[in-house]
Amino acid sequence: AQKITQTQPGMFVQEKEAVTLDCTYDTSDQSYGLFWYKQPSSGEMIFLIYQGSYDEQNATEGRYSLNFQKARKSANLVISASQLGDSAMYFCAMIPHGGNEKLTFGTGTRLTIIP
Amino acid sequence: DVKVTQSSRYLVKRTGEKVFLECVQDMDHENMFWYRQDPGLGLRLIYFSYDVKMKEKGDIPEGYSVSREKKERFSLILESASTNQTSMYLCASLSLGLAPQSSYEQYFGPGTRLTVT
Repeated sequence: AQKITQTQPGMFVQEKEAVTLDCTYDTSDQSYGLFWYKQPSSGEMIFLIYQGSYDEQNATEGRYSLNFQKARKSANLVISASQLGDSAMYFCAMIPHGGNEKLTFGTGTRLTIIP
Repeated sequence: DVKVTQSSRYLVKRTGEKVFLECVQDMDHENMFWYRQDPGLGLRLIYFSYDVKMKEKGDIPEGYSVSREKKERFSLILESASTNQTSMYLCASLSLGLAPQSSYEQYFGPGTRLTVT
């Protein structure tokens, strides 16, 4: 069984600072994918970034990067130069590759950017 | 630019009613998922399907069933709605390339906020 853990229920960060949102996972699968999503107050789930377990380089998408440490089973999201619009819930998720692909989410981190 | 649609944004039902939540995707994705989202609990997987007529229980399937007769449509059914099923319901569809890989395509619907009174 797979499990995603996000230990930070809430975070407050000053605007323009970098922020790291923690995510650890537990799986016995050798091949899997890791996702981060943003959910603003409007409710829609917005895909941010994806990392495959066999990808040798950390994924980056604009101001988002994923700090993937496979041995530690961690996949932290780093947001550089935070903006007020980054205030939202952030969810980490994982899916095993091959067979029945069950996409499992963590409980989320509420990020608030302070002007 | 339609990707994933859900039949209702808001729904109010009475205890004991049978409730159908519909999800349709237009991307020919194999995998579809139903989640419920509650404060402090994140997204919890109810059921998922990786092919037509195939379904798998997620983490909290009790009180729910699903149907996938066509690839594009995945329905969530509450056989006899109860007040503890008041929640936000999110549908998602996903397509992954062959493992190991770095390709994917995944979208969520806008959600259905269900209230059971």
